[in-house]
Amino acid sequence: NAGVMQNPRHLVRRRGQEARLRCSPMKGHSHVYWYRQLPEEGLKFMVYLQKENIIDESGMPKERFSAEFPKEGPSILRIQQVVRGDSAAYFCASSPPRGRNSPLHFGNGTRLTVT
Amino acid sequence: QKEVEQDPGPLSVPEGAIVSLNCTYSNSAFQYFMWYRQYSRKGPELLMYTYSSGNKEDGRFTAQVDKSSKYISLFIRDSQPSDSATYLCAVNYGGSQGNLIFGKGTKLSVKP
Repeated sequence: NAGVMQNPRHLVRRRGQEARLRCSPMKGHSHVYWYRQLPEEGLKFMVYLQKENIIDESGMPKERFSAEFPKEGPSILRIQQVVRGDSAAYFCASSPPRGRNSPLHFGNGTRLTVT
Repeated sequence: QKEVEQDPGPLSVPEGAIVSLNCTYSNSAFQYFMWYRQYSRKGPELLMYTYSSGNKEDGRFTAQVDKSSKYISLFIRDSQPSDSATYLCAVNYGGSQGNLIFGKGTKLSVKP
């Protein structure tokens, strides 16, 4: 009965390094969403993906951020050349295929700290 | 005006009290309304999910939507210390199940 699995739970990177965050959706779910939660802020949508396809990336910063959801394996959120402002909790959520009218189920997040 | 407004609290109540949590939203095109509970250092957990105006009840929790006023509420009866968490309201346009727009959350503390 595994839920949405995210790893690592905590990630520390120095400024300028790359951060890779991984997300495995719930069994049977083919849609993945990434959200970011800054301190004292609400959850902000970043990107919505299906297998091998980016559906909506309207919330993604224009530079340094990318996401993928390959045919095999977990979804990856990649942040290149991290800066202190990237420090946040990054949450992944998943849902069944469209038309099943089911809301999102979230993982426990990856907490990124940039030093 | 922000799309979803939510009083951040904190809200502190004694055990057994009825808790009322509220959000307002600005866009009448929103069709789906959700409440999530988030414990410290954890991910949001779905509590209630509704589409239409009116009330939806699940155990001690009641979600209420008033589309005419663009107002959504969550009521918790017989509150317990284990209900202490941050409560997030969320809305979306429908069609896609993603791209939820969240309020900032209300931090609730239930004292024994």
